[in-house]
Amino acid sequence: QSALTQPASVSGSPGQSITIPCTGTSSDVGGYKYVSWYQHHPGKAPKLMIYEVNNRPSGVSNRFSGSKSGNTASLTISGLQAEDEADYYCSSFTNSNTWVFGGGTKLTVL
Amino acid sequence: QVQLVESGGGVVQPGRSMRLSCAASGFTFRSYAIHWVRQAPGKGLEWVAFISYDGSIKYYADSVKGRFTISRDNSKNTLNLQMNSLRTEDTAVYYCARDLSYHYCVDVWGQGATVTVSS
Repeated sequence: QSALTQPASVSGSPGQSITIPCTGTSSDVGGYKYVSWYQHHPGKAPKLMIYEVNNRPSGVSNRFSGSKSGNTASLTISGLQAEDEADYYCSSFTNSNTWVFGGGTKLTVL
Repeated sequence: QVQLVESGGGVVQPGRSMRLSCAASGFTFRSYAIHWVRQAPGKGLEWVAFISYDGSIKYYADSVKGRFTISRDNSKNTLNLQMNSLRTEDTAVYYCARDLSYHYCVDVWGQGATVTVSS
């Protein structure tokens, strides 16, 4: 159950777009549509932003979008805003009937 | 409103046991599967365990298998995590989290309970 691979940090200026990749294997990301993304502000509960690769829960801004190609999923945030600054985690269901998270990416809005 | 509230955290010595609980409100608890997810200090999120809506199916991360037991009491809207043979690496904030049915992800999280394993 190795963690999915995410960059430790990304940054962007307000109004710009950024993309966070999340790389797994054919046993998790590549094998299922069950990839999700969470936003986590330290000290608060994580928040679901994307589920099943590219679906947004009700109330999540359409500035957030997801995609997947092979064993790599991606989260794109367009029109960056100061409040987007947070830690972001991808997650996937696996063929062992478990879930695995990525190591997390710290987004800094410059 | 939909809410999950963890309790039972604290400081415990290595090798000892601790039980976390999670009280659910604002939704039909017996209809939802639930997860435990943890975050060690300075680290990322780690999935720990899953229990189906009726308690008949349970899955565990390799790191806790054989030491942790997830259970639920649907009559009391309560989820539990019995943690035995605790190790220093089990030190973390533990979140209970509701499964978004049929979508294999979590849509509601508690605020977390802190468990510190230290001598």
